[in-house]
Amino acid sequence: DAGITQSPRHKVTETGTPVTLRCHQTENHRYMYWYRQDPGHGLRLIHYSYGVKDTDKGEVSDGYSVSRSKTEDFLLTLESATSSQTSVYFCAISDTGSRGDTQYFGPGTRLTVL
Amino acid sequence: KNEVEQSPQNLTAQEGEFITINCSYSVGISALHWLQQHPGGGIVSLFMLSSGKKKHGRLIATINIQEKHSSLHITASHPRDSAVYICATSGGGLTFGKGTHLIIQP
Repeated sequence: DAGITQSPRHKVTETGTPVTLRCHQTENHRYMYWYRQDPGHGLRLIHYSYGVKDTDKGEVSDGYSVSRSKTEDFLLTLESATSSQTSVYFCAISDTGSRGDTQYFGPGTRLTVL
Repeated sequence: KNEVEQSPQNLTAQEGEFITINCSYSVGISALHWLQQHPGGGIVSLFMLSSGKKKHGRLIATINIQEKHSSLHITASHPRDSAVYICATSGGGLTFGKGTHLIIQP
């Protein structure tokens, strides 16, 4: 299994509070991704990174920011959490990029915003 | 934006049956992925293919680039194959179908 961990694995928070989710990899892969998974929508891309300090927006980036100061860590921040951000968040990594490269997924973080 | 459609959404079959899950997409792609998600949430990559066919054990994936269509087949299905199967297309991150919930009954 690819070495990907996510923390925390579960979090309950209140509307309006800031939340940061962490993805950590030990594979030295260049690309890292944040997805959210919701019933009826499936998985959707939030943000991705193609190198240290290099990030780009995905399909559902509003309300989220990311940072990558080290190859191994990719942080997802909800500046002011809303109930619509209740979801399961998955981090993924790939070595050479999304075109024709396998992605390996972390175990997920279940976030509940009350 | 690539639209990825899967069918069926839900499938219940008896152990031993041959299973087919279909995936179609709207825009030309460089690669298509098949993923498996078991209850409890972990997502595992099964296949990545850009042409032809790939086989791994009882799983077979095919893709027709001209028709923008891919299929995932499971031969001699088993209850442990029960999971959600998701297809996804490559391009600045993955674009996913909504998944096929497969139940194999003993």
